[in-house]
Amino acid sequence: AQSVTQLGSHVSVSEGALVLLRCNYSSSVPPYLFWYVQYPNQGLQLLLKYTSAATLVKGINGFEAEFKKSETSFHLTKPSAHMRDAAEYFCAVTAYSGAGSYQLTFGKGTKLSVIP
Amino acid sequence: NAGVTQTPKFQVLKTGQSMTLQCAQDMNHEYMSWYRQDPGMGLRLIHYSVGAGITDQGEVPNGYNVSRSTTEDFPLRLLSAAPSQTSVYFCASRSGQNYNEQFFGPGTRLTVL
Repeated sequence: AQSVTQLGSHVSVSEGALVLLRCNYSSSVPPYLFWYVQYPNQGLQLLLKYTSAATLVKGINGFEAEFKKSETSFHLTKPSAHMRDAAEYFCAVTAYSGAGSYQLTFGKGTKLSVIP
Repeated sequence: NAGVTQTPKFQVLKTGQSMTLQCAQDMNHEYMSWYRQDPGMGLRLIHYSVGAGITDQGEVPNGYNVSRSTTEDFPLRLLSAAPSQTSVYFCASRSGQNYNEQFFGPGTRLTVL
């Protein structure tokens, strides 16, 4: 079974500081990896995804993530945090669920707080 | 396009009651899924469907039923609600390839007393 570990359930950064949200995965086959964001009382929205093309993936709102196979990591970064980035972030990996079907397996989430 | 819609937004049930959470999508997506979200647990897959007439269990299927009679609709039924089913429920859909984005509905917040 494939799994995702997000280090740190809460991360606080100052406005303008670097954002780094960590994600490690386990997979026996080349994975597809995703970062989703959830703003308060809303559904999830895709930030970016890795699909075995470029290892550095750029997403919306200035976020990017780098796929590192040797470290089984897919950390999310943003050079300068903004107040509007305060949300919960979920890393996810595709997992084979039988009969040719793949489903997303989510990490437990990291809540990002941005301090003015 | 409305995307993925869910009704109701909020629901309070008593233990033992049954109800159906509705989910519909207008993007002609083959894959649809139901997740529940609990604090500190992330999203866990309840049931999923790879097309009309085809459904399968996810990680936490007990106490829930689904059916998929059309491409558009994927209702989730709680047979006999329990307090442990208090959660926020999200429906999602995506088109064919497994690396495609899943589109999520706005969620249904369910409380079981």
